[in-house]
Amino acid sequence: RKEVEQDPGPFNVPEGATVAFNCTYSNSASQSFFWYRQDCRKEPKLLMSVYSSGNEDGRFTAQLNRASQYISLLIRDSKLSDSATYLCVVTDTDKLIFGTGTRLQVFP
Amino acid sequence: EAGVTQFPSHSVIEKGQTVTLRCDPISGHDNLYWYRRVMGKEIKFLLHFVKESKQDESGMPNNRFLAERTGGTYSTLKVQPAELEDSGVYFCASSQVGRAETQYFGPGTRLLVL
Repeated sequence: RKEVEQDPGPFNVPEGATVAFNCTYSNSASQSFFWYRQDCRKEPKLLMSVYSSGNEDGRFTAQLNRASQYISLLIRDSKLSDSATYLCVVTDTDKLIFGTGTRLQVFP
Repeated sequence: EAGVTQFPSHSVIEKGQTVTLRCDPISGHDNLYWYRRVMGKEIKFLLHFVKESKQDESGMPNNRFLAERTGGTYSTLKVQPAELEDSGVYFCASSQVGRAETQYFGPGTRLLVL
């Protein structure tokens, strides 16, 4: 079983749509949680950290449920520029544990 | 401020050859990490330096991989001899002391072993 499980997609959505991704993680001792974004043939870049209280950054909302070890990301009003792979990431001591990523394609 | 840099950006070598990858972290970042993405798989941790010391090398696949960080600045990752399954993208990341969770990634080195 993978340490971080994500639906690989792809999710194909029109501009303006709302799309939600989720992931589950297996290590209950994980302390920090993130969503990273990775564009084709580029490095992963931190999109946002995820907290149990839920947090929002513009059109992006992330949520963590520690009890069910579940992390979500909601993107509202999708833009063409949101097309990328979204990586769910948790920590194991100081190292990052990545999911395989969910690919999002936003079309006009 | 300059980001994490990696060299080379691409490398194509034959099985059995040696390749050395280099990573220059963000200035002042004592934490340096190596990760690898093999085609079709998730990005996986290889090892973690704190300054020049190996903090965690639990992800190193085997003894054909050797990482160094002499002087606590840049790091090298040498693969000797390279095998076909070593092909992938090797990412380096760095972070400040006490901020291990906020890691900044370099652009990666794409390694193809033929």
